[in-house]
Amino acid sequence: ETGVTQSPTHLIKTRGQQVTLRCSSQSGHNTVSWYQQALGQGPQFIFQYYREEENGRGNFPPRFSGLQFPNYSSELNVNALELDDSALYLCASSQQGADTQYFGPGTRLTVL
Amino acid sequence: GENVEQHPSTLSVQEGDSAVIKCTYSDSASNYFPWYKQELGKRPQLIIDIRSNVGEKKDQRIAVTLNKTAKHFSLHITETQPEDSAVYFCAATDSNYQLIWGAGTKLIIKP
Repeated sequence: ETGVTQSPTHLIKTRGQQVTLRCSSQSGHNTVSWYQQALGQGPQFIFQYYREEENGRGNFPPRFSGLQFPNYSSELNVNALELDDSALYLCASSQQGADTQYFGPGTRLTVL
Repeated sequence: GENVEQHPSTLSVQEGDSAVIKCTYSDSASNYFPWYKQELGKRPQLIIDIRSNVGEKKDQRIAVTLNKTAKHFSLHITETQPEDSAVYFCAATDSNYQLIWGAGTKLIIKP
């Protein structure tokens, strides 16, 4: 197992609500990337954080936002939830400039 | 931007036989190609990776080959076992070290 942790493990929300997901990176890693994995599909890159700033973004609307804290942990915030936001949300940590990413166990979000 | 295609989507092999999964990528600047194994309900786990300065890498029953000219890379699993059953994903990094993933291959090992 990696040293990357995520909370909560499962979450149920209704349309229009807001959600915050959390990720703690592996010791020594300063970069966190977030991915959305819909059922039966590969992960889709949402964004990456390095030194508390967004360092690249995939094709996701602005209602997906994030934060990184001085201890390198990170949050993913999603506003105005839609049914299609139901997915497994994965975070991965790495060292900036290094390519290997290690994944947390994910948060399963269900939007009703 | 980078695009990664993966084939086949489902692969069924007899226990003990070999399995091969293939991926192609579009960005010639990509230089890192990991393979992840994901069991149902679990996180993707890195099983092997290769960098663009290497053509082949092996780790026990698992090997990966890379053809930079053709822009494709493959995962080879020999002597397959029931615990190899899972979904396998290939990926490639773009110039910002962001992973672009294939759609996945469901590997079924028949007893």
